[in-house]
Amino acid sequence: GQQVMQIPQYQHVQEGEDFTTYCNSSTTLSNIQWYKQRPGGHPVFLIQLVKSGEVKKQKRLTFQFGEAKKNSSLHITATQTTDVGTYFCAGLRSNDYKLSFGAGTTVTVRA
Amino acid sequence: DAGVTQSPTHLIKTRGQHVTLRCSPISGHKSVSWYQQVLGQGPQFIFQYYEKEERGRGNFPDRFSARQFPNYSSELNVNALLLGDSALYLCASRSDLNTEAFFGQGTRLTVV
Repeated sequence: GQQVMQIPQYQHVQEGEDFTTYCNSSTTLSNIQWYKQRPGGHPVFLIQLVKSGEVKKQKRLTFQFGEAKKNSSLHITATQTTDVGTYFCAGLRSNDYKLSFGAGTTVTVRA
Repeated sequence: DAGVTQSPTHLIKTRGQHVTLRCSPISGHKSVSWYQQVLGQGPQFIFQYYEKEERGRGNFPDRFSARQFPNYSSELNVNALLLGDSALYLCASRSDLNTEAFFGQGTRLTVV
Protein backbone atom coordinates (compact mmCIF):
# COMPACT_ATOMS: atom_id res chain seq x y z
CA GLY A 1 0.00 0.00 0.00
CA GLN A 2 0.95 3.61 -0.28
CA GLN A 3 3.26 5.03 2.34
CA VAL A 4 4.01 8.68 2.92
CA MET A 5 7.15 9.32 4.94
CA GLN A 6 8.05 12.62 6.52
CA ILE A 7 11.30 13.85 8.05
CA PRO A 8 12.33 15.12 10.46
CA GLN A 9 9.81 14.07 13.10
CA TYR A 10 10.77 16.99 15.31
CA GLN A 11 12.27 20.36 14.45
CA HIS A 12 13.48 22.70 17.18
CA VAL A 13 14.17 26.09 15.66
CA GLN A 14 15.57 29.35 16.97
CA GLU A 15 13.23 32.22 16.21
CA GLY A 16 14.34 33.87 12.99
CA GLU A 17 16.00 30.77 11.54
CA ASP A 18 14.91 28.81 8.49
CA PHE A 19 14.04 25.12 8.26
CA THR A 20 12.78 22.53 5.80
CA THR A 21 10.58 19.46 6.22
CA TYR A 22 10.56 16.69 3.61
CA CYS A 23 7.92 14.29 2.40
CA ASN A 24 8.37 11.15 0.28
CA SER A 25 5.79 8.79 -1.20
CA SER A 26 6.32 5.21 -2.25
CA THR A 27 3.99 5.76 -5.22
CA THR A 28 3.41 8.53 -7.76
CA LEU A 29 0.83 10.99 -6.56
CA SER A 30 -1.99 12.86 -8.24
CA ASN A 31 -1.36 15.78 -5.95
CA ILE A 32 0.13 16.54 -2.57
CA GLN A 33 -1.41 18.64 0.15
CA TRP A 34 0.05 20.25 3.24
CA TYR A 35 -1.76 20.76 6.53
CA LYS A 36 -0.91 22.41 9.85
CA GLN A 37 -2.22 21.20 13.18
CA ARG A 38 -1.82 23.35 16.26
CA PRO A 39 -1.60 21.63 19.67
CA GLY A 40 -5.09 20.50 20.66
CA GLY A 41 -6.50 21.41 17.26
CA HIS A 42 -7.38 19.74 14.00
CA PRO A 43 -5.48 19.72 10.69
CA VAL A 44 -5.98 22.88 8.66
CA PHE A 45 -5.33 22.93 4.93
CA LEU A 46 -2.39 25.05 3.78
CA ILE A 47 -1.86 24.31 0.09
CA GLN A 48 -2.21 21.80 -2.73
CA LEU A 49 0.43 21.07 -5.38
CA VAL A 50 -0.62 19.34 -8.58
CA LYS A 51 1.99 19.80 -11.30
CA SER A 52 5.38 18.15 -11.54
CA GLY A 53 8.06 20.54 -10.26
CA GLU A 54 5.48 23.02 -9.00
CA VAL A 55 6.57 25.66 -6.49
CA LYS A 56 4.13 27.76 -4.48
CA LYS A 57 4.75 30.43 -1.87
CA GLN A 58 2.63 31.67 1.01
CA LYS A 59 4.45 34.57 2.67
CA ARG A 60 7.36 32.87 4.49
CA LEU A 61 6.34 29.35 3.44
CA THR A 62 7.60 27.77 0.19
CA PHE A 63 6.16 24.48 -1.01
CA GLN A 64 7.68 22.31 -3.73
CA PHE A 65 6.47 19.21 -5.58
CA GLY A 66 9.12 16.93 -7.04
CA GLU A 67 9.58 16.27 -10.73
CA ALA A 68 8.53 12.64 -10.33
CA LYS A 69 5.52 13.64 -8.21
CA LYS A 70 6.72 11.41 -5.39
CA ASN A 71 8.26 13.93 -3.04
CA SER A 72 7.62 17.37 -1.65
CA SER A 73 9.14 19.89 0.73
CA LEU A 74 8.04 22.77 2.91
CA HIS A 75 10.58 25.49 3.65
CA ILE A 76 9.86 28.16 6.27
CA THR A 77 12.04 31.25 6.46
CA ALA A 78 12.50 33.53 9.47
CA THR A 79 10.56 31.24 11.80
CA GLN A 80 8.16 32.92 14.19
CA THR A 81 6.43 31.65 17.34
CA THR A 82 3.21 31.52 15.33
CA ASP A 83 4.77 28.73 13.24
CA VAL A 84 4.57 26.32 16.18
CA GLY A 85 2.58 23.18 15.39
CA THR A 86 2.75 19.95 13.42
CA TYR A 87 3.01 20.10 9.65
CA PHE A 88 1.62 17.16 7.70
CA CYS A 89 1.97 16.30 4.07
CA ALA A 90 -0.81 14.21 2.54
CA GLY A 91 -0.53 12.44 -0.77
CA LEU A 92 -3.53 11.86 -3.00
CA ARG A 93 -3.54 8.81 -5.26
CA SER A 94 -5.23 9.14 -8.62
CA ASN A 95 -6.62 5.59 -8.71
CA ASP A 96 -8.71 5.76 -5.57
CA TYR A 97 -8.35 9.38 -4.34
CA LYS A 98 -7.25 8.15 -0.94
CA LEU A 99 -5.53 10.94 0.98
CA SER A 100 -2.68 9.44 3.00
CA PHE A 101 -0.94 11.48 5.68
CA GLY A 102 2.64 11.42 6.76
CA ALA A 103 3.56 11.23 10.45
CA GLY A 104 4.18 14.98 10.54
CA THR A 105 6.97 17.31 11.60
CA THR A 106 6.40 18.92 14.98
CA VAL A 107 7.94 22.36 15.17
CA THR A 108 8.89 24.16 18.35
CA VAL A 109 10.40 27.64 18.39
CA ARG A 110 12.91 29.07 20.85
CA ALA A 111 12.40 32.77 21.36
CA ASP B 1 -21.49 28.86 6.38
CA ALA B 2 -20.88 26.25 9.03
CA GLY B 3 -17.73 24.21 8.75
CA VAL B 4 -17.50 20.49 9.36
CA THR B 5 -19.30 19.59 12.56
CA GLN B 6 -18.68 16.47 14.59
CA SER B 7 -20.48 15.10 17.60
CA PRO B 8 -19.87 14.37 20.34
CA THR B 9 -16.65 16.28 21.05
CA HIS B 10 -15.61 13.96 23.86
CA LEU B 11 -16.68 10.46 24.81
CA ILE B 12 -15.69 7.93 27.43
CA LYS B 13 -16.61 4.28 26.87
CA THR B 14 -15.70 1.00 28.50
CA ARG B 15 -14.12 -1.95 26.75
CA GLY B 16 -16.58 -4.04 24.75
CA GLN B 17 -19.05 -1.22 24.25
CA HIS B 18 -20.18 0.23 20.96
CA VAL B 19 -19.83 3.85 19.81
CA THR B 20 -21.37 5.97 17.05
CA LEU B 21 -19.66 9.15 15.91
CA ARG B 22 -21.38 11.67 13.68
CA CYS B 23 -20.22 14.14 11.08
CA SER B 24 -21.93 16.84 9.04
CA PRO B 25 -19.86 18.01 6.07
CA ILE B 26 -19.71 21.49 4.64
CA SER B 27 -22.84 22.28 2.66
CA GLY B 28 -22.40 21.12 -0.93
CA HIS B 29 -19.54 18.74 -0.16
CA LYS B 30 -20.19 15.21 -1.34
CA SER B 31 -17.18 13.42 0.09
CA VAL B 32 -16.65 12.48 3.71
CA SER B 33 -13.61 10.66 5.05
CA TRP B 34 -12.88 9.35 8.52
CA TYR B 35 -9.45 9.31 10.14
CA GLN B 36 -8.07 8.04 13.43
CA GLN B 37 -5.31 10.09 15.02
CA VAL B 38 -3.37 8.67 17.91
CA LEU B 39 -1.33 11.15 19.95
CA GLY B 40 1.94 11.97 18.22
CA GLN B 41 1.01 10.40 14.89
CA GLY B 42 -0.54 11.52 11.64
CA PRO B 43 -4.20 10.88 10.79
CA GLN B 44 -4.74 7.28 9.67
CA PHE B 45 -7.32 6.72 6.94
CA ILE B 46 -10.34 4.62 7.97
CA PHE B 47 -13.08 5.19 5.37
CA GLN B 48 -13.95 7.38 2.44
CA TYR B 49 -17.46 7.98 1.13
CA TYR B 50 -18.49 9.84 -1.99
CA GLU B 51 -22.06 10.30 -3.13
CA LYS B 52 -23.22 7.86 -0.44
CA GLU B 53 -20.99 5.05 -1.67
CA GLU B 54 -17.93 3.67 0.07
CA ARG B 55 -14.94 4.61 -2.04
CA GLY B 56 -12.14 3.37 0.16
CA ARG B 57 -11.32 1.55 3.33
CA GLY B 58 -8.14 1.68 5.35
CA ASN B 59 -6.41 -1.09 7.26
CA PHE B 60 -8.89 -1.29 10.14
CA PRO B 61 -10.74 -4.33 11.49
CA ASP B 62 -14.35 -5.13 10.66
CA ARG B 63 -15.36 -3.70 14.03
CA PHE B 64 -15.19 -0.36 12.24
CA SER B 65 -18.03 0.52 9.88
CA ALA B 66 -19.48 3.67 8.42
CA ARG B 67 -22.17 5.00 6.19
CA GLN B 68 -23.14 8.20 4.41
CA PHE B 69 -26.71 9.44 4.34
CA PRO B 70 -28.66 11.14 1.51
CA ASN B 71 -27.89 14.54 3.05
CA TYR B 72 -24.15 13.59 2.91
CA SER B 73 -23.76 13.43 6.68
CA SER B 74 -21.96 10.37 7.95
CA GLU B 75 -21.66 8.03 10.91
CA LEU B 76 -18.69 6.00 12.05
CA ASN B 77 -19.50 2.96 14.17
CA VAL B 78 -17.03 1.00 16.25
CA ASN B 79 -18.07 -2.25 17.93
CA ALA B 80 -16.43 -4.19 20.75
CA LEU B 81 -14.24 -1.28 21.78
CA LEU B 82 -10.64 -1.96 22.78
CA LEU B 83 -8.33 0.23 24.84
CA GLY B 84 -6.30 0.79 21.68
CA ASP B 85 -9.27 2.48 20.01
CA SER B 86 -8.69 5.51 22.23
CA ALA B 87 -7.86 8.33 19.83
CA LEU B 88 -9.04 11.51 18.15
CA TYR B 89 -11.46 10.62 15.36
CA LEU B 90 -11.48 13.18 12.60
CA CYS B 91 -14.02 13.69 9.87
CA ALA B 92 -12.91 15.41 6.66
CA SER B 93 -15.19 16.97 4.09
CA ARG B 94 -14.24 17.53 0.44
CA SER B 95 -16.20 19.07 -2.37
CA ASP B 96 -14.85 16.43 -4.72
CA LEU B 97 -12.42 13.54 -4.50
CA ASN B 98 -9.34 15.45 -5.66
CA THR B 99 -9.72 18.63 -3.64
CA GLU B 100 -8.50 19.79 -0.26
CA ALA B 101 -9.96 18.35 2.93
CA PHE B 102 -11.66 20.40 5.61
CA PHE B 103 -11.51 18.77 9.00
CA GLY B 104 -13.93 18.94 11.88
CA GLN B 105 -12.78 19.49 15.44
CA GLY B 106 -12.80 15.76 16.02
CA THR B 107 -14.26 13.43 18.62
CA ARG B 108 -11.89 12.52 21.44
CA LEU B 109 -12.72 8.90 22.34
CA THR B 110 -11.34 7.40 25.53
CA VAL B 111 -11.84 3.69 26.16
CA VAL B 112 -11.35 2.58 29.76
